[in-house]
Amino acid sequence: KQEVTQIPAALSVPEGENLVLNCSFTDSAIYNLQWFRQDPGKGLTSLLLIQSSQREQTSGRLNASLDKSSGRSTLYIAASQPGDSATYLCAVITRANFNKFYFGSGTKLNVKP
Amino acid sequence: SQTIHQWPATLVQPVGSPLSLECTVEGTSNPNLYWYRQAAGRGLQLLFYSVGIGQISSEVPQNLSASRPQDRQFILSSKKLLLSDSGFYLCAWMGDREDYEQYFGPGTRLTVT
Repeated sequence: KQEVTQIPAALSVPEGENLVLNCSFTDSAIYNLQWFRQDPGKGLTSLLLIQSSQREQTSGRLNASLDKSSGRSTLYIAASQPGDSATYLCAVITRANFNKFYFGSGTKLNVKP
Repeated sequence: SQTIHQWPATLVQPVGSPLSLECTVEGTSNPNLYWYRQAAGRGLQLLFYSVGIGQISSEVPQNLSASRPQDRQFILSSKKLLLSDSGFYLCAWMGDREDYEQYFGPGTRLTVT
């Protein structure tokens, strides 16, 4: 069974710092990996989707990388801002079942002004 | 463009009362639909998913049921709520069966008293 882990569970950084969030998965036979952002009391917002054939995706100050062989993905946030404060979740979909997504428990990020 | 709606946004119900949460998607056809629950301080738990009208897969044996009476409508129900049913309920959809990207609704906050 696929298991997805996100470390650390919480992170607090000063504004302007570059930071990396980690996501690891146990079954490397993934089809894609998706990063989400969740603000308190809100639904999840899709940030980036990386197909298994890709190594990275970029959107603005966000860069997500994927190393399928080692079962890892990182989300790099450049020049962090207080508005980046949220919980970040990763999810994978595997080739064994294209209908089911496996989520990590998230990293709660606090960017201090 | 696609839009996903959930209602109600918040709900307070007594133990033993019935439940009906509704999710509808606009702007797509034949999507996969999902119900997740997020308990306080915990990760996302997949409850049900549906690949088509009348087709429901249950992930967790529990006090809840799901139905899909129309292509873009997904309903979560319970005959008698338990205290442990409290949580944040999220509906999601996935339409593109090449990218397999998932999108979430705004959620319903359920408090069982």
